[in-house]
Amino acid sequence: DAGVIQSPRHEVTEMGQEVTLRCKPISGHDYLFWYRQTMMRGLELLIYFNNNVPIDDSGMPEDRFSAKMPNASFSTLKIQPSEPRDSAVYFCASSQLGLAGGKSSYEQYFGPGTRLTVT
Amino acid sequence: TQLLEQSPQFLSIQEGENLTVYCNSSSVFSSLQWYRQEPGEGPVLLVTVVTGGEVKKLKRLTFQFGDARKDSSLHITAAQPGDTGLYLCAGRPRMEYGNKLVFGAGTILRVKS
Repeated sequence: DAGVIQSPRHEVTEMGQEVTLRCKPISGHDYLFWYRQTMMRGLELLIYFNNNVPIDDSGMPEDRFSAKMPNASFSTLKIQPSEPRDSAVYFCASSQLGLAGGKSSYEQYFGPGTRLTVT
Repeated sequence: TQLLEQSPQFLSIQEGENLTVYCNSSSVFSSLQWYRQEPGEGPVLLVTVVTGGEVKKLKRLTFQFGDARKDSSLHITAAQPGDTGLYLCAGRPRMEYGNKLVFGAGTILRVKS
């Protein structure tokens, strides 16, 4: 399996521009997560989907952020308009409810991330 | 809020030394995972523990889940420079619905040769 695929790997944009980050989850996984990682705040969950439906978007910072999952193999995270404080590494992860030792496990598999710099 | 507290935050040791990283909470977790993240990459899953008291070994790494499923530890024997990275613990709170994980802030490990 190719793993979780994210694009672009790096994005540099000016304040006020629209930014779209893309993710292809692992085939067969029914959960998809968007995270943001910074030195100050660590890894923060922004939103997650189950079977393409947004389940919890309580981590989305504000209305400038939106995420969609039009089908099981593709998701986008959009920031419009972007601001310098949005600079971070954005990760997509996917998951499938599994079993470990006979009990449910919730392992997530991460993509390589998109490093976003807003100037 | 179910939080996972990791300690220490930073660890710099010489090659060959042993170390332990801790992950603690006041909440009970259904399962707990440990991830390692290298610069420029995403976190990579190392292990999942699901049973209280469970011990798992991965070469020189030993993972333990506390009896009450509120804490975990990662012990590395004879650390090597290749072990350098950010170590994250993550758990699913027992009363949480869905597949959401809570992540610790991480431990940055540097192993000097």
